[in-house]
Amino acid sequence: DVQLVESGGGLVQPGGSLRLSCGASGFTFRNFWMQWVRQVPGQGLTWISGVSGDGSRTGYAESVKGRLTVSRDNANNTLYLEMTNLRVDDTAVYYCVRGFGFDVWGQGTMVAVSS
Amino acid sequence: DIQMTQSPSSLSVSVGDRVTITCQASQDISNYLNWYQQRPGQAPKVIVYDASNLKTGVPSRFSGSGSGTDFTFTINSLQPEDIATYYCQQYDNLPFTFGQGTKLEI
Repeated sequence: DVQLVESGGGLVQPGGSLRLSCGASGFTFRNFWMQWVRQVPGQGLTWISGVSGDGSRTGYAESVKGRLTVSRDNANNTLYLEMTNLRVDDTAVYYCVRGFGFDVWGQGTMVAVSS
Repeated sequence: DIQMTQSPSSLSVSVGDRVTITCQASQDISNYLNWYQQRPGQAPKVIVYDASNLKTGVPSRFSGSGSGTDFTFTINSLQPEDIATYYCQQYDNLPFTFGQGTKLEI
């Protein structure tokens, strides 16, 4: 089965850092762009970052540029999101998503930024 | 950035209703549009891709149409399990952007 499983979320203070991971299985991971999408509880969906299959190209939403870094380890079928200088408004569920078609989603991991 | 204007934001529905949701892009996105269903506590899932193609396994009462800037999503004969929030999303240009969502309520 094609599956994405996020981990690494939790409670962090403003200004803190966190690294999210997304383990992929059931497909050839290196062949796909991968995305991160977040959702503030009770609100809509926001694309925040993407990375090409070989990791050489990345894209970011303006709201996270300079604070979040996407990367991947194709040998271990894992996608990462390094989050620094976190703000209260980064509080959200973070989803790992496959491809430009956004056809496979993980279950999400919750990040709460609060003092 | 491409703005996706989705309407309505909420809709009061009954089982058996025909439901129509619209999405307008601020510029031409060809057919690079997905429609998602999100039930409470669950991740979104694609229902329609490339504006009008039904994802495998999705019931035929769901459909999508449109190209360019104007898109429509339809549920014929709404079923209880269709109660959810629906989103459109363009994947023509970065940053990929979503509509605000349409919440269906009984």
